[in-house]
Amino acid sequence: RKEVEQDPGPFNVPEGATVAFNCTYSNSASQSFFWYRQDCRKEPKLLMSVYSSGNEDGRFTAQLNRASQYISLLIRDSKLSDSATYLCVVNRRNGNKLVFGAGTILRVKS
Amino acid sequence: EAQVTQNPRYLITVTGKKLTVTCSQNMNHEYMSWYRQDPGLGLRQIYYSMNVEVTDKGDVPEGYKVSRKEKRNFPLILESPSPNQTSLYFCATAGGVGTLNTGELFFGEGSRLTVL
Repeated sequence: RKEVEQDPGPFNVPEGATVAFNCTYSNSASQSFFWYRQDCRKEPKLLMSVYSSGNEDGRFTAQLNRASQYISLLIRDSKLSDSATYLCVVNRRNGNKLVFGAGTILRVKS
Repeated sequence: EAQVTQNPRYLITVTGKKLTVTCSQNMNHEYMSWYRQDPGLGLRQIYYSMNVEVTDKGDVPEGYKVSRKEKRNFPLILESPSPNQTSLYFCATAGGVGTLNTGELFFGEGSRLTVL
């Protein structure tokens, strides 16, 4: 079993839609969590951190459920420019490695 | 401008011909790491370095070597490349091990390597 698992998609949604991705992690000792965004043929970039209390950044909301060992990313009012691959990332307890999921592809269409 | 620079960006080579992918950063970061990205497998860590002269294996180190003689450079060496090393390679940096808790890695633009 992979340490971080994501639905690869693709999620095809119309502009303006709300879309949510989940990610599960297997190591219960994982201590911090993040979402990265990767555009086609580009490098990954940090989108946002995921806190136990949840956090929101504009149209993006991230949630953490430690009991069920999953994190989620909600995107409201999708834009064409949101089309990308979203990577779920977990920092192991010893803190010196970030483990990446394989990514979820989002395609927003007009 | 803060940068992580990888070279070459694209390379086609043949089995067994030694090659080096260079990575250089101008942010004075302590932590540097190499990943490979393959479809369906995501980013997998090859090697990482927490400081000069300190390197450690990641999850998929076989067939690779690294060195960290200077803070700014972290080259990835394929002594005898094989077709299963065909992949997209990323170098990444962070301010220090502690800053990994913030989750922010700075990536180079990637090096697409094909081994025939």
